[in-house]
Amino acid sequence: QQQVKQSPQSLIVQKGGISIINCAYENTAFDYFPWYQQFPGKGPALLIAIRPDVSEKKEGRFTISFNKSAKQFSLHIMDSQPGDSATYFCAGGSQGNLIFGKGTKLSVKP
Amino acid sequence: EAGVAQSPRYKIIEKRQSVAFWCNPISGHATLYWYQQILGQGPKLLIQFQNNGVVDDSQLPKDRFSAERLKGVDSTLKIQPAKLEDSAVYLCASSSTGSNLELFFGSGTQLSVL
Repeated sequence: QQQVKQSPQSLIVQKGGISIINCAYENTAFDYFPWYQQFPGKGPALLIAIRPDVSEKKEGRFTISFNKSAKQFSLHIMDSQPGDSATYFCAGGSQGNLIFGKGTKLSVKP
Repeated sequence: EAGVAQSPRYKIIEKRQSVAFWCNPISGHATLYWYQQILGQGPKLLIQFQNNGVVDDSQLPKDRFSAERLKGVDSTLKIQPAKLEDSAVYLCASSSTGSNLELFFGSGTQLSVL
């Protein structure tokens, strides 16, 4: 079973702080690493994604850092806001087949 | 553009009963996926269609689960007979091509098996 391990399981951050979620993967054939955001009662929605040929990708307040040699990647949310409170899933995949982590429930306190 | 449509939104059944879920993907999306999301876990792929052909069904419990995508548009996932451990949210997703890995998810069907 090719797993994607995600930590922490839950995270509480003050408004304006930095949220950091980490993931590790096993399958070196993976060539696509997305982060999905899920609000209660909704399906996951793509937040940001990276390919293994770059070490970092930034979109607004969201940054993915990627370490190919360590087979790890992380999501950084700068200036975290209460509206960012959701569950975040990392994933790895290739050829359209994504393996998801177990998720991190983020709570941003005002 | 309209998103991925799923119905019903909720379903409660007794164990050993049958249930069916329906999905209509985003117009023009050739690839359709069914995922199972158990409470507190990430989505797990059950089956992937490319147009009306199956690309991957390696994690589909074929003794009780079946899925079809007639005419390469909407899709139905069926469970017969249901077990307690099938209680989960069943998510449908679509993408424009098999190599475009951005998945667009519907809101899912929450199944409770009693």
